[in-house]
Amino acid sequence: DAGVIQSPRHEVTEMGQEVTLRCKPISGHNSLFWYRQTMMRGLELLIYFNNNVPIDDSGMPEDRFSAKMPNASFSTLKIQPSEPRDSAVYFCASSSGISGMKETQYFGPGTRLLVL
Amino acid sequence: GNSVTQMEGPVTLSEEAFLTINCTYTATGYPSLFWYVQYPGEGLQLLLKATKADDKGSNKGFEATYRKETTSFHLEKGSVQVSDSAVYFCALIASSRRNEKLTFGTGTRLTIIP
Repeated sequence: DAGVIQSPRHEVTEMGQEVTLRCKPISGHNSLFWYRQTMMRGLELLIYFNNNVPIDDSGMPEDRFSAKMPNASFSTLKIQPSEPRDSAVYFCASSSGISGMKETQYFGPGTRLLVL
Repeated sequence: GNSVTQMEGPVTLSEEAFLTINCTYTATGYPSLFWYVQYPGEGLQLLLKATKADDKGSNKGFEATYRKETTSFHLEKGSVQVSDSAVYFCALIASSRRNEKLTFGTGTRLTIIP
């Protein structure tokens, strides 16, 4: 299996621009997670999908952030408009099983975002 | 709420030294406990896990025992290698269905010098 695939791997953009991050989970996994990692705040869960439905989005920072999962093999995280404080590494992870969060999560390589 | 506290880094050791990275937790019920490792430029990978008290998780020479009496899950390895240099995260998932988030510690950066 190819593992969790994220694109782009690196993104540099200017403040105010829209940013879209993409994730393809491992085939057959029914849970998908978006995390953000920064030096100051560590690893934060932004949103969690189960069977393509958002279960918990309490970690989404504000209305500028949105996430979708239109089907079992694709998810996007969008930031509009982007701000310098959004600079971070964004990870997507997926897991299998009905227990969702209790199953082992497999992480993608991350997207390193820099907002100037 | 649930929380994970792990020892502050960075930790620097010589090759073949003994490693301990402390991790303690606060959680309701009987959480599952995990150690994840993040190598430079990569995402997190599950290193080992334990789902009930007294369970020992092990992988790649690393071990951790779920100690409910001390609410701890310390990571150990008898002889570290340069390739073990990475950031290590302790994490838990609470057993309660209403609070199923994977809670991470802040991570401990480990550097092994030849």
